[in-house]
Amino acid sequence: NAGVTQTPKFQVLKTGQSMTLQCAQDMNHEYMSWYRQDPGMGLRLIHYSVGAGITDQGEVPNGYNVSRSTTEDFPLRLLSAAPSQTSVYFCASRGLGERDTQYFGPGTRLTVL
Amino acid sequence: KNQVEQSPQSLIILEGKNCTLQCNYTVSPFSNLRWYKQDTGRGPVSLTIMTFSENTKSNGRYTATLDADTKQSSLHITASQLSDSASYICVVSKGTGKLIFGQGTTLQVKP
Repeated sequence: NAGVTQTPKFQVLKTGQSMTLQCAQDMNHEYMSWYRQDPGMGLRLIHYSVGAGITDQGEVPNGYNVSRSTTEDFPLRLLSAAPSQTSVYFCASRGLGERDTQYFGPGTRLTVL
Repeated sequence: KNQVEQSPQSLIILEGKNCTLQCNYTVSPFSNLRWYKQDTGRGPVSLTIMTFSENTKSNGRYTATLDADTKQSSLHITASQLSDSASYICVVSKGTGKLIFGQGTTLQVKP
């Protein structure tokens, strides 16, 4: 099991550029989510999905899009990057049970100039 | 407002010593409370999960306690090791799948 994988590990963008952060899991988890982590703040939920074809907004969804065409993949798209989106992004997955362990990917460190 | 507050913000201890990290929450409704360990440059890793009816949960040298009446939790680390240097994050689940994250406590264990 590879668990939750994310690519790329590091990325530098210019303001206005778009890109897609990739996330995949091989544990057949229904629930997948994207978080951003900024200094001095807890992880904040961007978008989440409870299964293929189903997505919903989290706490800070503006400027990001997601889709869930398969159980395994949950890409995060930045439509027009802004300096405020400089952050570390984590993808996570778990089963739908309330006590299910949530597994996090290694993170993508994004800098927007 | 749903909040999870952790203290202290940072902590330095000597190898072999014990320490206790605190978490207070105002999240409602409450489903369960989780503690995560996050090493520098890595994603968080789950340590414990406790529901309303569980007072204590252990994972090796890590012991978490929960007082649902006072809405407080603690994470006790026994006989600390250099590898315990990390951020420890308290997370409360609302029961709708939504997780509320604390800011974390950064622990540094010195030889």
